[in-house]
Amino acid sequence: DSGVTQTPKHLITATGQRVTLRCSPRSGDLSVYWYQQSLDQGLQFLIQYYNGEERAKGNILERFSAQQFPDLHSELNLSSLELGDSALYFCASSVDPAGGRGGELFFGEGSRLTVL
Amino acid sequence: ILNVEQSPQSLHVQEGDSTNFTCSFPSSNFYALHWYRWETAKSPEALFVMTLNGDEKKKGRISATLNTKEGYSYLYIKGSQPEDSATYLCAFIPYIGANNLFFGTGTRLTVIP
Repeated sequence: DSGVTQTPKHLITATGQRVTLRCSPRSGDLSVYWYQQSLDQGLQFLIQYYNGEERAKGNILERFSAQQFPDLHSELNLSSLELGDSALYFCASSVDPAGGRGGELFFGEGSRLTVL
Repeated sequence: ILNVEQSPQSLHVQEGDSTNFTCSFPSSNFYALHWYRWETAKSPEALFVMTLNGDEKKKGRISATLNTKEGYSYLYIKGSQPEDSATYLCAFIPYIGANNLFFGTGTRLTVIP
């Protein structure tokens, strides 16, 4: 158990809909990362927050948004869903804001989104 | 987007065999390299965080080396066991403040009993 909690574990929805994925980081970790893993793709970085502030943005679509709340949990909002958004969405947390020398990432179990 | 390559993409070995795979990254800048192990239906777990050229890390039968000058890291598994079957991911951080780990697509290892 990594200590990172993601909900829901599975989600099936229709095109055009909107969903929210939730992540609670490991106790004491201030950094939260969101990654997308599509079929046959590696982990694609979406966005990172540190202590409530956005720190880095990757290939996150304009239809997607995220935030980190004062209690440090984070939500990833996906709207106007398309078939291609079907993927496994991982949240990870770390102590180190740069996720670098000291800050290995601790991953949640992922939220599997299926868009029909 | 930085290109982090892992090879081979997949690998089948017999139980007891030793094996190794490669992570290649741009050598122009380097801050840290991570290795993660990802078992099916579970979440990735960190194996090693490597920061210095020439670093060698070891955890049980698994070890890793790092060459930042030429831009590669090797992961070695000695005496593979079926429980070693997993996807092994490397992640590269080019500079402090990058605020992101650039992941390779992984090497999928299957150990045949």
